[in-house]
Amino acid sequence: ETGVTQTPRHLVMGMTNKKSLKCEQHLGHNAMYWYKQSAKKPLELMFVYSLEERVENNSVPSRFSPECPNSSHLFLHLHTLQPEDSALYLCASSQETSAALNEQFFGPGTRLTVL
Amino acid sequence: AQSVAQPEDQVNVAEGNPLTVKCTYSVSGNPYLFWYVQYPNRGLQFLLKYITGDNLVKGSYGFEAEFNKSQTSFHLKKPSALVSDSALYFCAVSRNQGGKLIFGQGTELSVKP
Repeated sequence: ETGVTQTPRHLVMGMTNKKSLKCEQHLGHNAMYWYKQSAKKPLELMFVYSLEERVENNSVPSRFSPECPNSSHLFLHLHTLQPEDSALYLCASSQETSAALNEQFFGPGTRLTVL
Repeated sequence: AQSVAQPEDQVNVAEGNPLTVKCTYSVSGNPYLFWYVQYPNRGLQFLLKYITGDNLVKGSYGFEAEFNKSQTSFHLKKPSALVSDSALYFCAVSRNQGGKLIFGQGTELSVKP
């Protein structure tokens, strides 16, 4: 285990639903990340948090809303999603966001299906 | 702009043979280079990284990678492949700024007995 947990592991939702993905890291790291992984595509960085402050938002649609209440927890709130949002959503953490210390530890992911 | 290319979608190797998974990068300034592996239904796991120093970097599970500045490459290698090495491998690059690892599209490694 990497020390990063994600719940739920699988989620099926309709386009009008509201749901949340949860990530927790037990590593004492200061940075946390959300990625989207779609088949045959590079990982897409969605959000970066450093010490609970959002430091990067990569032009992600507003139907995805992150929340970082403390350095150990990260949420991704979902509402009015589209079928093309179906993907594996990965959470990661690292000691710091500087490149030299940016070895990232990933959770197992949430497999999201939007009907 | 930073970018990473993994030119092979799939690499097939017989067990016991050496393996190479290719990666080339483009970044201004000094690159920080990483390899990650993803097993089925799992998140990515860190294998190794190059920050500075010796061009040959050794990592987990017997993997190593060679940084070649003139060819802007960072190929992943292993002298003798195992069936259990079958997985999806990602190369990533960052430069000295916060938070942003740029990943390649991944290479599926298949090791047959």
